[in-house]
Formats: sequence, structure tokens, C-alpha cells
Amino acid sequence: DTAVSQTPKYLVTQMGNDKSIKCEQNLGHDTMYWYKQDSKKFLKIMFSYNNKELIINETVPNRFSPKSPDKAHLNLHINSLELGDSAVYFCASSQVSSFSGNTIYFGEGSWLTVV
Amino acid sequence: AQSVAQPEDQVNVAEGNPLTVKCTYSVSGNPYLFWYVQYPNRGLQFLLKYITGDNLVKGSYGFEAEFNKSQTSFHLKKPSALVSDSALYFCAVRPPQTGANNLFFGTGTRLTVIP
Repeated sequence: DTAVSQTPKYLVTQMGNDKSIKCEQNLGHDTMYWYKQDSKKFLKIMFSYNNKELIINETVPNRFSPKSPDKAHLNLHINSLELGDSAVYFCASSQVSSFSGNTIYFGEGSWLTVV
Repeated sequence: AQSVAQPEDQVNVAEGNPLTVKCTYSVSGNPYLFWYVQYPNRGLQFLLKYITGDNLVKGSYGFEAEFNKSQTSFHLKKPSALVSDSALYFCAVRPPQTGANNLFFGTGTRLTVIP
């Protein structure tokens, strides 16, 4: 059973389109994240949700809108896609409220290519 | 502010030789430190972490890391490298505050094990 699963794994789309990436975790964690990995492999957090509430919102264009319908799901919707949005997007989860040293577990990534 | 440095972009080692991937950190208080590995076209896999206690931490696939507070380092090591260890390795730090919600990643080190 996959702990953190995200779909689609690969996505090729044209500039200006709107797309969504879905994420689900079956670990019972209270916190979920979206990370972006750029072409140089640098990883940076975009958003973090704790029990469906937005906790971290880094400097991300407002074309990116996360949505957490429940604490097991955190979807990422991107409007008006731009070439610079091409990257790998990783969903992740952890149990934070009990101990912040708990491990963050990552999904397999969604490779987004904007053409 | 917290940060992590991985001074080497690339590490090459012959199969069977010991390997070291370096990491230094800067964080207030006692940090939580993590190592992750990323294989090509895959997500990040957790290897090991240091929370407290013994400075030598053992993790998956025969890897270990040594926490050195005086040198603010957390180098990843393995006594005998395998070709299958070739991957991208990320060091990460998490502030120790309760509810701290983010991992700060280093820039990654690409390990190549030469047959």
C-alpha cells in the first residue's frame, strides 16, 4: 500500500491551461505538504496544511491554490500555467502535533512540463 | 534562520570503498536532522534521522550518519559503497520547536559509485 500517493505522475500541458495534482496519504498524519523541485533539483516548500488548515504559504504565485478537503487529502490546483512552472511537485505528510521530529514521508512526485 | 549546506555537488567513489556525503547545518537550538535519497525519476525516500541520544545514527541500506554538534555537521556514511547507491542525496534540518512544520533541504549531492 502506497503511503503517500499523488496523481498524475507525468503531466504535459500547454501554457495558459489550468491543471490539478491530487494527493492522498493513508498514514493517518495530521499535516500535509507540497514541495517543488526545480530543474537544479533544489527542493522548496510551497504549502503546508495541518488538520485542513493552511499553516505555511511560502512566496508562491496566487495561481497556485492548494485545497484540503480532509486531512488525508491535499490537492494542488494551478491556473494559467507558465513555462516556469515546469518542475517536479512532491506531496508529503507527517504527524506534527505530537512531535516535530517525526519523519516527513514523500510521494513519488508529479513531473509537470509546460509547453 | 535555519539552513543546510551540502558543500559537494558530486561525489564519486569506487564500488567497495567507503563513502561520505557531507552536510553542515545552521539552526537555533538542538536540531532534528534528516537524510533522504532520491533515485532517478522517483520520490524522496527517508534514510535516517537524528533526534537525540547516540550521535551515530543507523539507517536504511547500510547507511549511517554522525551528528557532531561542535562542528554542526551530520555527514552520511557507508562502509562499502554499492553501484546501486548511486543517487541524489539530500540533507535536511527541522527546527526543534513543537509543531515546527517544515524541512529545510540542502541543495543535494549526487553520488556516483563506479564499478
